[in-house]
Amino acid sequence: DAGVIQSPRHEVTEMGQEVTLRCKPISGHNSLFWYRQTMMRGLELLIYFNNNVPIDDSGMPEDRFSAKMPNASFSTLKIQPSEPRDSAVYFCASSLSGGNEKLFFGSGTQLSVL
Amino acid sequence: DQQVKQNSPSLSVQEGRISILNCDYTNSMFDYFLWYKKYPAEGPTFLISISSIKDKNEDGRFTVFLNKSAKHLSLHIVPSQPGDSAVYFCAAHSTGNTPLVFGKGTRLSVIA
Repeated sequence: DAGVIQSPRHEVTEMGQEVTLRCKPISGHNSLFWYRQTMMRGLELLIYFNNNVPIDDSGMPEDRFSAKMPNASFSTLKIQPSEPRDSAVYFCASSLSGGNEKLFFGSGTQLSVL
Repeated sequence: DQQVKQNSPSLSVQEGRISILNCDYTNSMFDYFLWYKKYPAEGPTFLISISSIKDKNEDGRFTVFLNKSAKHLSLHIVPSQPGDSAVYFCAAHSTGNTPLVFGKGTRLSVIA
């Protein structure tokens, strides 16, 4: 299996632009998670899905952030409009279930908003 | 409020010596703990875990210790190797379909 696949690996954009991050989870995994890594806050959970349904989006920082999972093999995280403070590494992870199954992470998207 | 705390942002150890990474948690409902390892430009990968019914779990050079009364766990790496240089994240989980809560990470540097 190729593992969790994220695209793009790097994204540089200007403040005010829309940014879309993409994720393909491991086939057969039922849970998908979006995390953001910053120096100040470490790895923080933004949102997670079970069976394509959003379960908890309380970690989404603002209404500018939205996430979708239209099917079991694809998810997007969108920021509109983007701001410099959104600059971070965004990770997608998947697991067999939402329980204590270990997470498998993608390689992340390094986002820089200028 | 951080429920999982890794108070040491960095740690430097000589090759061959023991590395001890510490983690504290505040939520008494946590019953499963994991350590993840992250290299630059890669996602975190699972390293070792421990259930709250145990106080120790060992896997090769890696051992995790859990002290429930102190709400503290530690990861021991012995002997440390240069390839162990990475950021280590402590994570915790409570019963049910709840996601992992991560600490901020500790950057370990193993010096040859």
